[in-house]
Formats: sequence, C-alpha cells, structure tokens
Amino acid sequence: AQTVTQSQPEMSVQEAETVTLSCTYDTSENNYYLFWYKQPPSRQMILVIRQEAYKQQNATENRFSVNFQKAAKSFSLKISDSQLGDTAMYFCAFMKQNFGNEKLTFGTGTRLTIIP
Amino acid sequence: GAGVSQTPSNKVTEKGKYVELRCDPISGHTALYWYRQSLGQGPEFLIYFQGTGAADDSGLPNDRFFAVRPEGSVSTLKIQRTERGDSAVYLCASSLRPSGRVPQANEQFFGPGTRLTVL
Repeated sequence: AQTVTQSQPEMSVQEAETVTLSCTYDTSENNYYLFWYKQPPSRQMILVIRQEAYKQQNATENRFSVNFQKAAKSFSLKISDSQLGDTAMYFCAFMKQNFGNEKLTFGTGTRLTIIP
Repeated sequence: GAGVSQTPSNKVTEKGKYVELRCDPISGHTALYWYRQSLGQGPEFLIYFQGTGAADDSGLPNDRFFAVRPEGSVSTLKIQRTERGDSAVYLCASSLRPSGRVPQANEQFFGPGTRLTVL
C-alpha cells in the first residue's frame, strides 16, 4: 500500500513571496504519478500540477513547479510570486501506474494562507 | 461545458437513517470515483466505476455503504443506518476511460462534494 505524508499542517506567506510545500511518500512501485491538488473553500479539488515518475525533469506550470526526488521519495511544490487566490488547502496525491483503476492516495493536506 | 455536479450540497440526517448522494459526471467520462474526506483529512478512496460496473470497491468501509451506476453515467452512493462517524464530505470525480493498453493517468475532475452530517 502507498502512503503520502504532508508534515506541514499550515503555512502562511506574504503576497508576492515564494513558498514551498513538502510531501513525502512511500511505495514499492517503480512506475507511478504524483499530483498536487488545490482545494479552495468551495471544496472543489483542482489539479495544480502532475509529475510522471519516469521523467527526470521537474514539472512546471506557470508559477508552480515541483522538486521531484525519486530516490528520496520526495515531491515538494514551489509557488512563486504568490497571489491571494492561492489561499487554499493543498493536497499531495499518488497514483500507481495502472491500465485501469486510477484511484488516488492523498496526504492530509497543508493549509496555505497568502497574507496581503 | 458542465463540470461534475453533486447533489445535495449539504445533507443533515439523524443516526440510523438512510441517505443517497448523487453524482453527475462530465459527459463522456466513463471512469467515476467516490472519495470520502473527513474533517482535517485528505480524501480517501471508496469505489471506482468503469462504465456501469464497480471495478474496485475495496475502499467502502463496511456493508452499510453501497454505490450504483446503472446506465454508466449518474452514480448514487447509498448509506444505510447512518452513524455519526459517517459525517464527512463525499467527493465524486470522473475521468476519461483508461486506455487499457497504455497507462495514462487521466486527469480526474472533481465535483464540489456533498457535506453529510449525521446527528
């Protein structure tokens, strides 16, 4: 079974600054995917960024980037130039590579607050 | 286009009652997932449908929980004899059909959830 650990229950940062959210995971799988999801107060989970484990290059989506360390089983999210709209819960998630069932295993989340 | 919708948005019930939670996936998405998110936790997998069939129900906590998807579109999560511990947000997600030949990790699109409160 896979486990995902987010050790930072809450974080806050000033607007326009950079913040890094941590995530570690445990798995015996060699092929998998990792995700960061954002959950605003509306409760709707929104995909922020994804990383394929077989890719060495770290994924980047505009202000969002990851630091994927496969050997260390670490997958952190960096948000640059943070904006008020980034305030939300952030969840790290794991998906085993599968030809069918693509269920996600989530961490417990980090509540991020951007301070004006 | 329309996203995943879930009804009701909130449901308050008494211990021992029966409830049904509904999920309308994105049109054309054949894969459908139910997750449960307890207070202060991340979502936990409950059940996965591919088309009309429940391909993986290993996350259902006990036999009081049951889900159906009779026509391969709308799904209903049913909870019998509700208990206070069932209080949570129930999330539904849908995605395109996995190819079955090439692993893809299709993006899951989530609904806004149903907040269930059992008094």
